[in-house]
Amino acid sequence: DAEITQSPRHKITETGRQVTLACHQTWNHNNMFWYRQDLGHGLRLIHYSYGVHDTNKGEVSDGYSVSRSNTEDLPLTLESAASSQTSVYFCASSEQGSYGYTFGSGTRLTVV
Amino acid sequence: AQSVSQHNHHVILSEAASLELGCNYSYGGTVNLFWYVQYPGQHLQLLLKYFSGDPLVKGIKGFEAEFIKSKFSFNLRKPSVQWSDTAEYFCAVQIIFGKGTRLHILP
Repeated sequence: DAEITQSPRHKITETGRQVTLACHQTWNHNNMFWYRQDLGHGLRLIHYSYGVHDTNKGEVSDGYSVSRSNTEDLPLTLESAASSQTSVYFCASSEQGSYGYTFGSGTRLTVV
Repeated sequence: AQSVSQHNHHVILSEAASLELGCNYSYGGTVNLFWYVQYPGQHLQLLLKYFSGDPLVKGIKGFEAEFIKSKFSFNLRKPSVQWSDTAEYFCAVQIIFGKGTRLHILP
C-alpha cells in the first residue's frame, strides 16, 4: 500500500546543530509540504514543492530549507537549530492540482 | 494574503448534541476547502473537501460542511456527536490551515 513516512518519530538535538527530518512518500504525488504544529498556532506552512527541483517558502520558512531531487522525498533541514523550533513537524503530499492531503505521522523535535 | 479563521478554539458538548464549527476564509480566487480531524496522538486525516458543485458536502463519520460563498464560510456540522468525536478539527483553504478547534465530547 502507498504511504507517507517520516523519520525519525522523535528527536532531541542541541541548539546550533544542523538537523534533517526525512519525508518519503510512495503515492507518486507531485505536491509535498512541510508544516509545524504548535499549540495555539495550528499548522503553519514551512516549505512546499510542486515537483522535482521546485521549492517554495511558506509563512514560517526562516531557519529551514528543503530540496526536491526526486518525486518521493522532501527532506527538511534546520540549518542551526533554535529552541523556538521545538515543535511537531508534519509532512504531507497530494496529487497535482489537488490539495487534499495525505499526512505523515509526524516528527516531534525538541531543541535543548 | 490568504487566511483562515476558526471561531471556536475549544468546544465542549455532551453526547448526542449537535455540532457546528465555524470557519471563515480570506482568499481572492477559486477555493478548495477542507476539514481535517486529528485524534489524540495521531496525524491529521481528511474529513471532507469542497472543490466545486453542490455546496453541501458530506464527509466521513457523519460530518458535513456547507460552503457559503457570500459569507466566505465553510462550517462543519454533525447532527449528533459521539464521545469518539473528541479530537481537534482544522479548516483549510488551499494550503493554509486555521488554528484548529479542540472538541471535547462528554459521555
